[in-house]
Amino acid sequence: RKEVEQDPGPFNVPEGATVAFNCTYSNSASQSFFWYRQDCRKEPKLLMSVYSSGNEDGRFTAQLNRASQYISLLIRDSKLSDSATYLCVVGVNFGNEKLTFGTGTRLTIIP
Amino acid sequence: GAGVSQTPSNKVTEKGKYVELRCDPISGHTALYWYRQSLGQGPEFLIYFQGTGAADDSGLPNDRFFAVRPEGSVSTLKIQRTERGDSAVYLCASSPGRLAGASSYEQYFGPGTRLTVT
Repeated sequence: RKEVEQDPGPFNVPEGATVAFNCTYSNSASQSFFWYRQDCRKEPKLLMSVYSSGNEDGRFTAQLNRASQYISLLIRDSKLSDSATYLCVVGVNFGNEKLTFGTGTRLTIIP
Repeated sequence: GAGVSQTPSNKVTEKGKYVELRCDPISGHTALYWYRQSLGQGPEFLIYFQGTGAADDSGLPNDRFFAVRPEGSVSTLKIQRTERGDSAVYLCASSPGRLAGASSYEQYFGPGTRLTVT
């Protein structure tokens, strides 16, 4: 079983729609959680950290369910510029340590 | 401010050759990481430095791979006797280090070096 699992997609979604991504992780000791976005042939860029209480940044909302070892990302009112690959990322410890990435979910927003 | 920089952006080498990839982290960041990313996959951890020392090198695939960070800033990833399977994008990231606050462990990536072994 992969340490971090994501649906690879692709998700093709009309502009303005709401889209949700899910991710599961296998290591129950994991402590830090992130969503990164990666554009084609570019580096991953931190989208948001995911906190136990859930957090929101504009049109983006992230949720963490430790009991189910499940992380989600919700994008509301999707824009063409949201087209990218979204990477679910997990770290075992708070502090500086290796991150484990999912394979990513590819999202295309259709005009 | 300036982000993480990596050189070269592209490197083509022949099987069996030696290559060095360089990473210049964000100024003041004490933690530095190397990952590699193959097509269709997420980045895969290689090694992590805190200051000058390698705190975790568990991701290095074999002894052909080695990395240094002699002054606690710039890092070089060295690959000996390259193989075609080493072809990938090698990504470097840095984070602020052991500071108070949640943001100290958020990692920021450079543009990567695309290595092609022919």
